[in-house]
Order: sequence, then structure tokens, then C-alpha cells
Amino acid sequence: EAGVAQSPRYKIIEKRQSVAFWCNPISGHATLYWYQQILGQGPKLLIQFQNNGVVDDSQLPKDRFSAERLKGVDSTLKIQPAKLEDSAVYLCASSVTGTLNTEAFFGQGTRLTVV
Amino acid sequence: GNSVTQMEGPVTLSEEAFLTINCTYTATGYPSLFWYVQYPGEGLQLLLKATKADDKGSNKGFEATYRKETTSFHLEKGSVQVSDSAVYFCALILSGGYNKLIFGAGTRLAVHP
Repeated sequence: EAGVAQSPRYKIIEKRQSVAFWCNPISGHATLYWYQQILGQGPKLLIQFQNNGVVDDSQLPKDRFSAERLKGVDSTLKIQPAKLEDSAVYLCASSVTGTLNTEAFFGQGTRLTVV
Repeated sequence: GNSVTQMEGPVTLSEEAFLTINCTYTATGYPSLFWYVQYPGEGLQLLLKATKADDKGSNKGFEATYRKETTSFHLEKGSVQVSDSAVYFCALILSGGYNKLIFGAGTRLAVHP
């Protein structure tokens, strides 16, 4: 079974530029998550989709971050304009449903460096 | 609020030593608890889980018991190997509604021969 695919693996941009990350979850997984992991910290949930609807985006900085999940399959996370503090690893994860016991499967992440 | 607190690292051990990584949580309701591991250069992967009080999760020689009375889920292994060197994250999912997976800050483990 293929895992969660993310691209690119690495990205370096200058501040005020824009960037987009792509995620393809495991086939059949209705729930998709985007996490931000700053160096030395645990992953922080940015946004959670159930199919193509947003169920939690309370920690998404909406003035600069946006995400979509068209057709309830793959997803794109965008940052525009980027700030230095956005340097982090962006993790995508998916799970079968929103039930309590469901395991979340993670991609390898995209490491973003803003200079 | 809902949160997970882990012991700070790094934890440095010799091979075959006993490992404990402490994890405590604060949550409304009755969460499910997880340990995830992140090996160098790889993504997060589930190590073990427990879904109710007194449950013990186990995998690859690691164990953790869901202690409701102390709101803890400490990770243990009797004899660590160099290959266990990684970052370990304690996490919880809140009961009710959609999953919201909340992570601790992570604890780096370095095992030396």
C-alpha cells in the first residue's frame, strides 16, 4: 500500500515570496491533516479536512496560509507571503475516518527554509 | 486546555540500558493515547497506542500503560538498541467529534554502543 506522498521534500525561498506544498493521502482516507513542525517542537495542527470540507483550521494563520482539498483527495497548502518564522517542516497525514482509534499515517514532510 | 507534556531530551543511553520517557496529558473527556517515533530522515510513524484506562500498548519491545489516575502514558523499553535512536512523540486524540491529534514536544533518544 502506498503511503502519504508529499512534494517537494525541500524548499528554500526568500521572505515575502510565496510557496505551495502538495500532499496525496493514502487512497480511501477521508481525513487529511496538515501539521507545522518547527525545529525542536512537536507538530502543530494547521488544518484538518474531512473529505473536502474543513473541520478544524483554528490554528491556521489565515492572513497568509491557505489550504484546499479539491475532490476530497489530494491537498495543497500555500503560504503567501512567507515570513522567516514560517521556516519549519510541513507534515501531511491522513486517516481512514474521524473516529477515536484511527491511526494517522504521515508523509516524510516538506522542509521549508525562509531566508 | 488540552495538551501533552514530555520529558525534555536528549536522553543518552548505552546499548541494553533501560529506557523511560515520561509523558503526561491534560484533556477534557477520555482521549486515546499514542507514541509516535521519527527516525532520522523519515516521517512520523505510530509506535503504539492505548484507547482506554489501564490499556497497555506494546510494539518492538516498547510498552506504555494508560494511567488515568496520574494522567500519564510513560514509554518504557527494557533493553535499548542503537537502532532505537530517534525522536519520540507522545500524542493524544480527543474523544468526541473529529480526531484532533495533539503532540508533545518530542524527546530525542541517542543510544551509544
